[in-house]
Amino acid sequence: NAGVTQTPKFRILKIGQSMTLQCTQDMNHNYMYWYRQDPGMGLKLIYYSVGAGITDKGEVPNGYNVSRSTTEDFPLRLELAAPSQTSVYFCASRRPTPRGGEKLFFGSGTQLSVL
Amino acid sequence: AQKVTQAQTEISVVEKEDVTLDCVYETRDTTYYLFWYKQPPSGELVFLIRRNSFDEQNEISGRYSWNFQKSTSSFNFTITASQVVDSAVYFCALSDGNTPLVFGKGTRLSVIA
Repeated sequence: NAGVTQTPKFRILKIGQSMTLQCTQDMNHNYMYWYRQDPGMGLKLIYYSVGAGITDKGEVPNGYNVSRSTTEDFPLRLELAAPSQTSVYFCASRRPTPRGGEKLFFGSGTQLSVL
Repeated sequence: AQKVTQAQTEISVVEKEDVTLDCVYETRDTTYYLFWYKQPPSGELVFLIRRNSFDEQNEISGRYSWNFQKSTSSFNFTITASQVVDSAVYFCALSDGNTPLVFGKGTRLSVIA
């Protein structure tokens, strides 16, 4: 099983460039998330989605955009990249249950440097 | 608002020592879920355990054990007889079930041979 797949694994951007981080899952999970991990800061939520066509902001959404046109895919768009967006990005998904509380399945991460 | 505090930034132990990683949480919800994830040097995030707020029984899995105490809002993680392979960053996380997981800042554990 592929699980959650993120591409690319590494990327270097110049200030002001744009790019899309891809995330796809094959588990038919409704819930998908984007987190960023900065050294010593844990994981912070950027955006999340509870199903196709529905997205919502997390704790640190500025400078990012998302879309959710299908259940499988949840791309993260960086417009006008800034050095502050240098980070490791994780995509995650989980299945919906009546009470929630299900564990997250994570992708392997994308290491992004903005220089 | 929900909050998770992992006060220990880094811990270093000698192999075969026992080590406890602390996790203190804040929430106003009566129903919530607590998690521990491991991030080895390779970078992936590995799920270790999930505990709901109605189950205060301690959990043991091999050398790993978890102590959940609602009275002190803590969900501590103990590794018995630590091994070099336990070296990783460990994250504690909290959710009320429907909201996204809130993570602590993590504790970096180094086990020295």
